[in-house]
Amino acid sequence: SAVISQKPSRDICQRGTSLTIQCQVDSQVTMMFWYRQQPGQSLTLIATANQGSEATYESGFVIDKFPISRPNLTFSTLTVSNMSPEDSSIYLCSLTGTGSTNEQFFGPGTRLTVL
Amino acid sequence: AQSVAQPEDQVNVAEGNPLTVKCTYSVSGNPYLFWYVQYPNRGLQFLLKYITGDNLVKGSYGFEAEFNKSQTSFHLKKPSALVSDSALYFCAVRDVFSRIYFGAGTRLTVKP
Repeated sequence: SAVISQKPSRDICQRGTSLTIQCQVDSQVTMMFWYRQQPGQSLTLIATANQGSEATYESGFVIDKFPISRPNLTFSTLTVSNMSPEDSSIYLCSLTGTGSTNEQFFGPGTRLTVL
Repeated sequence: AQSVAQPEDQVNVAEGNPLTVKCTYSVSGNPYLFWYVQYPNRGLQFLLKYITGDNLVKGSYGFEAEFNKSQTSFHLKKPSALVSDSALYFCAVRDVFSRIYFGAGTRLTVKP
């Protein structure tokens, strides 16, 4: 199984600022993803973080608001730009396990509060 | 498009009784289905998955799920509920690009 770490684990930010969330994996993985869980809601896929190319965003999410980097096969960042209180959520990175397990692993999440 | 539906926002059961958390799916092609659990202030935990094979899938913490192709369902079950099973449960489906799409979630409350 893969071990995923995220930084920061939580943060409180002011409206209009930006926050970059880091996701580090202990092994090389091909597919990495970013999800958002708004308070009391389910998880929603933001984008697929592609190594060596631009991220692929789901409907309703745009690169200007959620720029993503994927410089190598073990690391990715998600930036939440020009934040508003509606961006208060838990942000999780995820990856697909290799081999026959086909399991999807999730990071511990970053709890963001925007004032 | 792949999607799952959880028709119940809330399920209440008494400790020791069997529990069922319902999930139906809509997919094109073969379904890759998952159940996850989220405890308060804790991360998302994998319970079980269905990829292919036996329709009854056994997972963590005594949970199992039954894949029913004709009813397009993947209900989560446990023969005897524990108070510690109280949590938020998510059904999910994965597409060919490994993107996971979650249901709205069902809050399970097990009362002593």
